[in-house]
Amino acid sequence: QQQVKQSPQSLIVQKGGIPIINCAYENTAFDYFPWYQQFPGKGPALLIAIRPDVSEKKEGRFTISFNKSAKQFSLHIMDSQPGDSATYFCAASSGSEKLVFGKGTKLTVNP
Amino acid sequence: DAGVIQSPRHEVTEMGQEVTLRCKPISGHDYLFWYRQTMMRGLELLIYFNNNVPIDDSGMPEDRFSAKMPNASFSTLKIQPSEPRDSAVYFCASGQRTWNEKLFFGSGTQLSVL
Repeated sequence: QQQVKQSPQSLIVQKGGIPIINCAYENTAFDYFPWYQQFPGKGPALLIAIRPDVSEKKEGRFTISFNKSAKQFSLHIMDSQPGDSATYFCAASSGSEKLVFGKGTKLTVNP
Repeated sequence: DAGVIQSPRHEVTEMGQEVTLRCKPISGHDYLFWYRQTMMRGLELLIYFNNNVPIDDSGMPEDRFSAKMPNASFSTLKIQPSEPRDSAVYFCASGQRTWNEKLFFGSGTQLSVL
């Protein structure tokens, strides 16, 4: 049973565009929502994370928007660059529930 | 710190052979995780350890898979006998506390079973 549904599977934008990746979860016990970034040949690395007491978190050009009532959260990348081309995974967990990953979104930012 | 170190980076073997993947977690991290990544299933948790003790191995696909952590600085994932459907990238990750904390992943082992 997939507990975190991520979309789209792939996304192509032009440099400077704002790609948006969406995730939905089912388990209301989840209270930690990280995003991981993975470059080819590397392991995933934590990019940014949010907890449900806030609706938005920004770190540089990356923003997470969180909608607790809809059980959805999304990643926005402002002024995207070719170096942002990677696979992005959303995830969710709580203190007692294992971290579950979405299936990933392959982002391509064209020059 | 060098981060999580995995070996080998690539492994090509024939069906039926034993495969052993190795991992050195970051010093001081109490949790160690083994994940498998495929296009079809994404990132799957296979097993995780806390203070060298296996806590949850419900993700291990079959009895052909086994994992050990003899000490705080070393873990192995073994597949015996290997099958073509085991072909995937296997990641080891470590973390300091519970699920609500940052995981540090190694660069993975690309396993191909012919």
